[in-house]
Amino acid sequence: EVQLVQSGGGSVQPGGSLRLSCAASGFLFSSYNMNWVRQAPGKGVEWVAYISGNSDTQYFADSVKGRFSISRDNAKKSLYLQMSSLTAEDTGVYYCARTWLLGGLDYWGQGALVTVSS
Amino acid sequence: VLTQSPGTLSLSPGERAIFSCWASQSVSSNSLAWYQQKPGQAPRLLIFGASTRATGIPDRFSGSGSGTDFTLTISRLEPEDFGVYYCQQYGNSPMHTFGQGTKLEIK
Repeated sequence: EVQLVQSGGGSVQPGGSLRLSCAASGFLFSSYNMNWVRQAPGKGVEWVAYISGNSDTQYFADSVKGRFSISRDNAKKSLYLQMSSLTAEDTGVYYCARTWLLGGLDYWGQGALVTVSS
Repeated sequence: VLTQSPGTLSLSPGERAIFSCWASQSVSSNSLAWYQQKPGQAPRLLIFGASTRATGIPDRFSGSGSGTDFTLTISRLEPEDFGVYYCQQYGNSPMHTFGQGTKLEIK
């Protein structure tokens, strides 16, 4: 069974940093591109970042470029999102999601709440 | 940019629901997906490649369209179909752009 289990959410002050983790199981993790998607309270979903299976390609939404980094450890079957210079606009639920080989995001983590507030 | 309409649909069980999604530029290879999201849950992939149902999705869900105009249709609404529906493009680059969503309310 494919599973993505997230950890690392929490509260942080503006300007602070936080790292999210996503542990994968039930599939060959290194063969799949992965993503982070977020959702601000009461708002729609927003794609945040992408990383290819071997980490050689990464993309970021303009809203987080230069502040967030994405990485993965295929040996540990884990995906990470390092967030820095956080602002209130970064508050929301963050999901990791697998890119389906034929298109779209087919499996999602349970979500991790990130709250940026003083 | 993906633009969805309407903002909200309020329909009764058994009725047909039609969701529209317009892209500001042509979506390459019909690389468009649809998702359903219920409160407190992650989005669920319904359709990829504009018209192919994902695993386990009932055949009352169907997708169509090409280029810049896409449609998701639910042929006969069930009570459990409530939620917010999003379109997403993934073909022009790995940057997966989402539409703003359409909320479906079941009367």
